[in-house]
Amino acid sequence: DAMVIQNPRYQVTQFGKPVTLSCSQTLNHNVMYWYQQKSSQAPKLLFHYYDKDFNNEADTPDNFQSRRPNTSFCFLDIRSPGLGDAAMYLCATSRDLLGQDGGNQPQHFGDGTRLSIL
Amino acid sequence: GNSVTQMEGPVTLSEEAFLTINCTYTATGYPSLFWYVQYPGEGLQLLLKATKADDKGSNKGFEATYRKETTSFHLEKGSVQVSDSAVYFCALSGGPWNTDKLIFGTGTRLQVFP
Repeated sequence: DAMVIQNPRYQVTQFGKPVTLSCSQTLNHNVMYWYQQKSSQAPKLLFHYYDKDFNNEADTPDNFQSRRPNTSFCFLDIRSPGLGDAAMYLCATSRDLLGQDGGNQPQHFGDGTRLSIL
Repeated sequence: GNSVTQMEGPVTLSEEAFLTINCTYTATGYPSLFWYVQYPGEGLQLLLKATKADDKGSNKGFEATYRKETTSFHLEKGSVQVSDSAVYFCALSGGPWNTDKLIFGTGTRLQVFP
């Protein structure tokens, strides 16, 4: 089945130790998104890639970086994790930003990576 | 700016009860509206969507109608099941030819008991 796959499901890292989360997709979608979701809150968009074009949200901390080496893979790098970065990180894809009728494309989410900071 | 307001949860129901989860929005223009569902330990799944006024989205027995006059997109289901227990997020995006990001509400937890 075509899908969005996030690895690992659970990640534990130490305070200040760099960590990388990965996302892959078999949908061949142009757009890939990274969200941060803290407990009992809505997902918060960190950034997205449209093909190779990187789009950062204005309030995303510099501590968060992303790489998209090809259409299928996208990585979230946290350079120096703090305790406040403990959260669920969700990857999502969409075929495009807009459909041929101008309507917004729905996003397809992975199951997330839950990050814990010791 | 655009925003979404959902009723606070948890919503607790017995199996086969009628469900309504209220969602209202503030937006300029004609946003697209979505309901996403998040089952425990999983990511979000698109449940249904509507892209223009009076459109009704439906899926798996859930329905929501895009009401521009009341700026609402309430989620309904006639008879809930235990397996519907999850967190439901109402969301909007910019609308036709607008690439603004998806804006989520805070989510409403639904608990259904046998």
